[in-house]
Amino acid sequence: RKEVEQDPGPFNVPEGATVAFNCTYSNSASQSFFWYRQDCRKEPKLLMSVYSSGNEDGRFTAQLNRASQYISLLIRDSKLSDSATYLCVGGGGGGNKLTFGTGTQLKVEL
Amino acid sequence: GAGVSQTPSNKVTEKGKYVELRCDPISGHTALYWYRQSLGQGPEFLIYFQGTGAADDSGLPNDRFFAVRPEGSVSTLKIQRTERGDSAVYLCASSPLGGSTEQFFGPGTRLTVL
Repeated sequence: RKEVEQDPGPFNVPEGATVAFNCTYSNSASQSFFWYRQDCRKEPKLLMSVYSSGNEDGRFTAQLNRASQYISLLIRDSKLSDSATYLCVGGGGGGNKLTFGTGTQLKVEL
Repeated sequence: GAGVSQTPSNKVTEKGKYVELRCDPISGHTALYWYRQSLGQGPEFLIYFQGTGAADDSGLPNDRFFAVRPEGSVSTLKIQRTERGDSAVYLCASSPLGGSTEQFFGPGTRLTVL
């Protein structure tokens, strides 16, 4: 079983839709969690960190449930420019090496 | 400011050859990471440097893979006797201190082993 699991998609949604991605992790020692965004043939870039209290950044909301080992990302009012792969990421240990999920592909359409 | 840079951007080699991939981290970042990303997968951790020393090399798949960072800045990932299964995008990332700080990724080197 992979340490971080997420549905690969693709999720095809119309512009303006709300879309939710979920992710589960198996390593209870993981200390920090993130969502990274990766555009086609580009490097991953940090979208947002994820906290148990939940955090919001504009149209994006991330949530962590440590009891269920579950992480979510909600995108409201989706834009064409949101089309990308969203990587669920766990970090831990002294150096904080990152453990990535497979990524969920999002396609926002007109 | 300048981000993480990696050279070459593309490398095509033949099975059995030796390759070196270079990473220039963001100036002043003490932590440097190498990851490998295969098609349709997320990046997989290879090795982490704090300064000049390899603090965690648990992700290196076998002894054909080796990395150095002799002066605590530029790092080189070395692959001996390349195999077709080594074909992937090799990503380098750096962060100011390691720990839970954000990692900044370079554009990667796309390695193709024929």
